[in-house]
Amino acid sequence: DIQMTQSPSSLSASVGDRVTITCRASRDIRSDLGWYQQKPGKAPKRLIYAASTLQSGVPSRFSGSGSGTEFTLTISSLQPEDFATYYCLQHNDSPWTFGQGTRVDIK
Amino acid sequence: QVQLQQWGAGLLKPSETLSLTCAVYGGSFSGYYWTWIRQSPGKGLEWIAEINYSGNRNFNPSLMTRVTTTVDTSKNQFSLKLISVTAADAGIYYCARRSGTGVPNHWGPGILVTVSS
Repeated sequence: DIQMTQSPSSLSASVGDRVTITCRASRDIRSDLGWYQQKPGKAPKRLIYAASTLQSGVPSRFSGSGSGTEFTLTISSLQPEDFATYYCLQHNDSPWTFGQGTRVDIK
Repeated sequence: QVQLQQWGAGLLKPSETLSLTCAVYGGSFSGYYWTWIRQSPGKGLEWIAEINYSGNRNFNPSLMTRVTTTVDTSKNQFSLKLISVTAADAGIYYCARRSGTGVPNHWGPGILVTVSS
C-alpha cells in the first residue's frame, strides 16, 4: 500500500495566518491526489483534486501544489470558517489511502 | 444538485453482517464510480471498495474477503455488505461518488455503525 504521511498532525493559527499542510507519499503518485476539509459531524468536503485544481465553489485562498511524492495544501489567509481537519487522499494505486489528518484550531 | 442518501442498521453484534445502501438523487448514475469509505478513531479514513454502474469492482485487499458491493441501476442505488463484523469495524460509513479520474466529490452524510455484544 502507498503510505501517505501528513504533517503536522495539528496546528494552532490565527485568523489571517498563512497555513501550510504537507502530504508525502511513500512512492511516486504523479498528481493523483486530493485534499479534503472535514468539520465535526460532517462528511469530508473536497477542496482540491489532481493535486492543484481548485474545486468549483471553494474560495481561492485554498491552493494545492506538488507532484510525485510531496504535496502541499496552503490556506493563504485563514478565515474563521477554515478551522477544521484536513486530509489528503491518493488515488494512484489501489488501495487508495488517506493521510492521518491535520487539525487546524484557533490560537 | 447531486445528493447521496444512505441507510442501514447502525447497531450490530460481533459476527453479524453490516448492510448499507446508498441512493443517488439529482444526477446521472452511469459514468461514475460509487465508493464506500469508513472512518474510525483508531484507523482514520479508510477506503473500502468501489463499483461502477456496469458492475466493475475494486476492493481494499484488507477487507476484500469480507466485502460485497452491488449496484441497482434501476433504482440508482448501490450497496455494501461486510460479513463477520468485529469491534474493529465500528465507525462512520460513508458512500461517495467520483468521476473516473478523480477523488470523490460527493459524499453521503455517513452512518454510525456500532458493534457490541
